[in-house]
Amino acid sequence: QVQLRESGPGLVQPSETLSLTCTVSGFSLTSYGVNWVRQPPGKCLEWMGVIWGDGSTAYNSLLKSRLSISRDTSKSQVFLKMNSLQTEDTAIYFCAREWDYGGYSGNFDYWGQGVMVTVSS
Amino acid sequence: DIHMTQNPVSLSAFIGDKVTITCRASQDISRYLGWYQQKQGQSPKFLMYYASNLLSGVPSRFSGSGSGTEYSLTITGIQPEDAATYFCQQCYSYPRTFGGGTKLELK
Repeated sequence: QVQLRESGPGLVQPSETLSLTCTVSGFSLTSYGVNWVRQPPGKCLEWMGVIWGDGSTAYNSLLKSRLSISRDTSKSQVFLKMNSLQTEDTAIYFCAREWDYGGYSGNFDYWGQGVMVTVSS
Repeated sequence: DIHMTQNPVSLSAFIGDKVTITCRASQDISRYLGWYQQKQGQSPKFLMYYASNLLSGVPSRFSGSGSGTEYSLTITGIQPEDAATYFCQQCYSYPRTFGGGTKLELK
């Protein structure tokens, strides 16, 4: 069955770089897009970016200067790197598969369990 | 960016009640809208796409409607397991954006 699992450090120092990995199973990264979405504690969801099946990417303009999404299809892994972290980047970070049905796409049908990242010294 | 406004922020209902959550987009999103349910400590669950199409396995007490900038999610005959926060999300344009969420509590 389809599964996504995020992994990475729970604590990051301010100004440092966050590196997260999303390991997927049950589908091919060359066939589906994978998105990153984050949720600050008690707040709403924020879309960060996507890497599509063809390897192209799109980013939220608010984060674009700090964010990079890449992948290793042989390992079924998607990577998020974001630099210059600040306390406001403290959030649960989710990876989620892009729903694609008959030309309709852009919602997220399977989500990982999320990884809590705290930015603090 | 398209701003999504959800109302109410929270609501309380009895088992068996009917409730409606609204989602307003800052511009026409042509029904490119999904709804999610998120229970405490869990990741969101995808309920509905294209404003009114239920995913397989989602109970029929959930329904969606709307067009243009105004959309709604209705739960008819609330069950205990429906206590959760509900989010709308537009996929008409980038960046994808979410509503602020509606927390449904049971009395």
